[in-house]
Amino acid sequence: GAGVSQTPSNKVTEKGKYVELRCDPISGHTALYWYRQSLGQGPEFLIYFQGTGAADDSGLPNDRFFAVRPEGSVSTLKIQRTERGDSAVYLCASSLRNGGAGSYNEQFFGPGTRLTVL
Amino acid sequence: AQSVSQHNHHVILSEAASLELGCNYSYGGTVNLFWYVQYPGQHLQLLLKYFSGDPLVKGIKGFEAEFIKSKFSFNLRKPSVQWSDTAEYFCAVNRAGTASKLTFGTGTRLQVML
Repeated sequence: GAGVSQTPSNKVTEKGKYVELRCDPISGHTALYWYRQSLGQGPEFLIYFQGTGAADDSGLPNDRFFAVRPEGSVSTLKIQRTERGDSAVYLCASSLRNGGAGSYNEQFFGPGTRLTVL
Repeated sequence: AQSVSQHNHHVILSEAASLELGCNYSYGGTVNLFWYVQYPGQHLQLLLKYFSGDPLVKGIKGFEAEFIKSKFSFNLRKPSVQWSDTAEYFCAVNRAGTASKLTFGTGTRLQVML
């Protein structure tokens, strides 16, 4: 597609439930990123995939958060036993594989999924 | 660890006023620098970027930013703002030559009055 897409656009769930958030990157982009944006804050990094593997998962806040990208394209962010503090906008971005300096490093963002945990 | 500071949290300007938004970063290495904009109800969009070369970079919609390495700064400027520039602006940094994670500032909300 023309841009990064994310589904659903909004997700309301109850505390303790499990949720899955989906990201479709730009076709041909091998790098995929998940960020989380809380109200009044900038996006915070969660995890980065290069192809199918997680190249950097240092931003995942705890073991309730997990992400996969089994075929190197679509990615799913999974949150177990959701807590009210997980409420935020979850952003996905993609970029061409890094080959050094230049426009390969530009990250293109999707519209986000707004997660509300009641 | 990388960090980004944006000094202005909320800026209110009249149309045609000049704009300068501050951004300072902390990182012990060579960086890529970005300004992203988020218009009301829309997703993050790249406004401009610096990878190397001329430290004065020009972006879309008349925006420009200057990388001053000695000050670890990447301030965003526009000579004359328009009502349509009302948005949230985020400065971001990542490690040069990589596709590594972006570290964002907390953002500056710009409100342009008619």
